Amino acid sequence: DADVTQTPRNRITKTGKRIMLECSQTKGHDRMYWYRQDPGLGLRLIYYSFDVKDINKGEISDGYSVSRQAQAKFSLSLESAIPNQTALYFCATSGTGGTGTEAFFGQGTRLTVV
Amino acid sequence: GQQLNQSPQSMFIQEGEDVSMNCTSSSIFNTWLWYKQDPGEGPVLLIALYKAGELTSNGRLTAQFGITRKDSFLNISASIPSDVGIYFCAGQPGGSNCKLTFGKGTLLTVNP
Repeated sequence: DADVTQTPRNRITKTGKRIMLECSQTKGHDRMYWYRQDPGLGLRLIYYSFDVKDINKGEISDGYSVSRQAQAKFSLSLESAIPNQTALYFCATSGTGGTGTEAFFGQGTRLTVV
Repeated sequence: GQQLNQSPQSMFIQEGEDVSMNCTSSSIFNTWLWYKQDPGEGPVLLIALYKAGELTSNGRLTAQFGITRKDSFLNISASIPSDVGIYFCAGQPGGSNCKLTFGKGTLLTVNP
């Protein structure tokens, strides 16, 4: 089983619809992240959470919200999806301190907004 | 904000050739990471670098943390077809700031 699991893997939704992407992890990490990937733009940070009570905006948070339901769960919501939110979304986790802060990624959710 | 310049954007090489790609930053990082992404998958960590000047290998892959802490390179020796994919560098400021800044990736194509 994957350490970082994203659901769904693929989703097509209509403009204006609300959609939630879910992420769960078994790595025991406190830190979780949501990234968006677009061709030629690399990975851009949407939101991140250092622990259950800590949520922070990333560089492209407009149009998105998140919820950290537990240490192992971090969900991303699009309240009213628009076509330019069509992208590949990745959840990631990382440990804290020392030489263990590298991020581990889920397999991604391909979202298409029509 | 911090910016990473990764080059080249893409490479087309013959099997058996060596490959080199690099990243430069406008600011200092305390950690440099190199990831590979296969089509339809999430990025997978290849090498992590934690000290300026550090040179680390993972099989045919070698990466170095630049002494200025503003750059890093990744070398792949004797490329094989399964090396195909997108390679990303990422930098982490360190301390309480664990956010990663990613380069835009290098698309590697290996011709058999």
